[in-house]
Amino acid sequence: ETGVTQTPRHLVMGMTNKKSLKCEQHLGHNAMYWYKQSAKKPLELMFVYNFKEQTENNSVPSRFSPECPNSSHLFLHLHTLQPEDSALYLCASSPGTGNRDEQYFGPGTRLTVT
Amino acid sequence: AQSVTQLDSHVSVSEGTPVLLRCNYSSSYSPSLFWYVQHPNKGLQLLLKYTSAATLVKGINGFEAEFKKSETSFHLTKPSAHMSDAAEYFCVVSGSGSGYSTLTFGKGTMLLVSP
Repeated sequence: ETGVTQTPRHLVMGMTNKKSLKCEQHLGHNAMYWYKQSAKKPLELMFVYNFKEQTENNSVPSRFSPECPNSSHLFLHLHTLQPEDSALYLCASSPGTGNRDEQYFGPGTRLTVT
Repeated sequence: AQSVTQLDSHVSVSEGTPVLLRCNYSSSYSPSLFWYVQHPNKGLQLLLKYTSAATLVKGINGFEAEFKKSETSFHLTKPSAHMSDAAEYFCVVSGSGSGYSTLTFGKGTMLLVSP
C-alpha cells in the first residue's frame, strides 16, 4: 500500500461542507483514477487522468471536482454532497502506456455524509 | 465491450481445504485478466495477472488462476485455505482504451474461512 497513499483515511462531513481528498503515487506512473465503492455495488470508475489530462468523466455529478496538478498527485474536491455519496473512495494509478496494465490502489478514504 | 461474471457472491470453506472462486469473462479481443483481493476497510491488492504468456498464472499467497479460452473462464484457486484469506475477491478484465488502463470489475466474491 505504500505505492499509493490516500488522505484522509476517514472523513465525516455535512452536506454543506467543502472538503478535499488527496491521493499520491510513488510509482512513477502517468495515469491516475478515482473510483467509488458503495456497499452492494460494483466498483464505479469516476475519473481518469492520463499524463495530467482528464480523459474520462463517467457522468459524475458536478459536486465532485477532480484536480491533477502533476502525474504524482490527484485530488477530489467535494462540495454540497448528498447522503448517498457516502462510500469508500479509491485512488489508483497505472503506468499509462498500455490499455492492459494493472492498476495499483490506495487504501481508500471512507466518506460519510451526514 | 468487455464484461466479467463472478458466479458466486459468497464462498465458504474450512481452513486447510481448497478454494475455488469462479469467473467468466466476455471480450471481443484478447484481454488481460486480473484477480484482486480486498480485506475489510482496505484498498484492492493485485493477486495475479494473465497477459497471454502462460495459461496458468501463479500469484501471491499461494493463489493461482487458469485461463481457459474455450470456456472463457479464469477461475482462482488455492490448495489450502488460511484464515487470513478471508476477504472479498474481484475478477477484472482489461478494456480497449488507448494509452491507459481501463478495467471492468466483477461484483466480487466474499470468501469466508471457518476454523
